[in-house]
Amino acid sequence: DTEVTQTPKHLVMGMTNKKSLKCEQHMGHRAMYWYKQKAKKPPELMFVYSYEKLSINESVPSRFSPECPNSSLLNLHLHALQPEDSALYLCASSQGWGEYQPQHFGDGTRLSIL
Amino acid sequence: AQSVTQPDIHITVSEGASLELRCNYSYGATPYLFWYVQSPGQGLQLLLKYFSGDTLVQGIKGFEAEFKRSQSSFNLRKPSVHWSDAAEYFCAVVTTSGTYKYIFGTGTRLKVLA
Repeated sequence: DTEVTQTPKHLVMGMTNKKSLKCEQHMGHRAMYWYKQKAKKPPELMFVYSYEKLSINESVPSRFSPECPNSSLLNLHLHALQPEDSALYLCASSQGWGEYQPQHFGDGTRLSIL
Repeated sequence: AQSVTQPDIHITVSEGASLELRCNYSYGATPYLFWYVQSPGQGLQLLLKYFSGDTLVQGIKGFEAEFKRSQSSFNLRKPSVHWSDAAEYFCAVVTTSGTYKYIFGTGTRLKVLA
């Protein structure tokens, strides 16, 4: 059982829709991450939150909007996505950012853009 | 720049045979290294990590890895593979340039023959 929970597991949306991906962890971790993973590729970092503040934005298009409402929750708001945004979106957490602690990953949300 | 290379894209072994997955890194100082496994449709699960100390690291599911500074390698091994080990395996190093990001290798897909 994963300790990082992501919902929904699957999401199909049109290019004009607005949807959100959710991630939750109850390990007391203070760093949370969003990754994008295309098929047969390693995960690509999108955002890092440390103590609920955005610390890294890897030049992600503005149609992806992250939000960290509290230390346990991380959201990724989606709007006007493109077909190339279809991918597995992974959330991860670690005890702290910059402490070389391993990241714990959720099972991801499989996103398909029509 | 730091990098991670996994030379083998695919590896096929018979159940019960031994396994070694290769990982080479490029980094000037002591690296922080990880091995993750990803089963189909799931997130990444941490197998083991190396920070310092003993160069032979034990992980979960019977895996171990050996850090060899002289060869810039961190190869993953298992003495007897089970069919359930079929998955994608990623080696990763953490950057220490102030960003503390994972750099993933391209992954090795393991197939296990019955």
